[in-house]
Amino acid sequence: SQTIHQWPATLVQPVGSPLSLECTVEGTSNPNLYWYRQAAGRGLQLLFYSVGIGQISSEVPQNLSASRPQDRQFILSSKKLLLSDSGFYLCAWSAWDNHNEQFFGPGTRLTVL
Amino acid sequence: AQSVAQPEDQVNVAEGNPLTVKCTYSVSGNPYLFWYVQYPNRGLQFLLKYITGDNLVKGSYGFEAEFNKSQTSFHLKKPSALVSDSALYFCAVRDPVAGRRALTFGSGTRLQVQP
Repeated sequence: SQTIHQWPATLVQPVGSPLSLECTVEGTSNPNLYWYRQAAGRGLQLLFYSVGIGQISSEVPQNLSASRPQDRQFILSSKKLLLSDSGFYLCAWSAWDNHNEQFFGPGTRLTVL
Repeated sequence: AQSVAQPEDQVNVAEGNPLTVKCTYSVSGNPYLFWYVQYPNRGLQFLLKYITGDNLVKGSYGFEAEFNKSQTSFHLKKPSALVSDSALYFCAVRDPVAGRRALTFGSGTRLQVQP
């Protein structure tokens, strides 16, 4: 069966520091991968999605970037965090031929102070 | 552009009563529609989806949803609510004709089931 991991689970970082959140998927090949941010426990905002290694689509311009160095690894990064980057970051995957059913990881809660 | 609206921030219902969580959508073509549930500090869990076929879709944990094309709605329902159903519910849409691969989520509705 497929599983999706995210780490760290929680993170507290000062403003201006770098960020690296990691997401990995097991049990499937060539998945579509997604990064979402959930602010204040409500709506989800799609940040990035990837259909393959090195292929990243950005949904909104911002302080963040994403990379996919391996088939089942998706990384969310920032060079300098802003206060507004605080939130709950969710990674998700879907089958390569099916963008419809997405499966979410447990999330990373980021607090920028 | 695809969009989805959940007009209620919160829905309160007594245990054992039927529940409805509302969702309306806007897409240029035929929509793919989804419901997800989120428990506190957890990722989203898939409940059900409508792609094509029967307008009444049955999903996990006794939930169902009805696709209504004329009203562009996809309301989530359950005949008898449980306290454990209390959570945050998200409706999502994808327009495959538009070529957009990602889902667009609504703002979420918090369901509170009182014992």
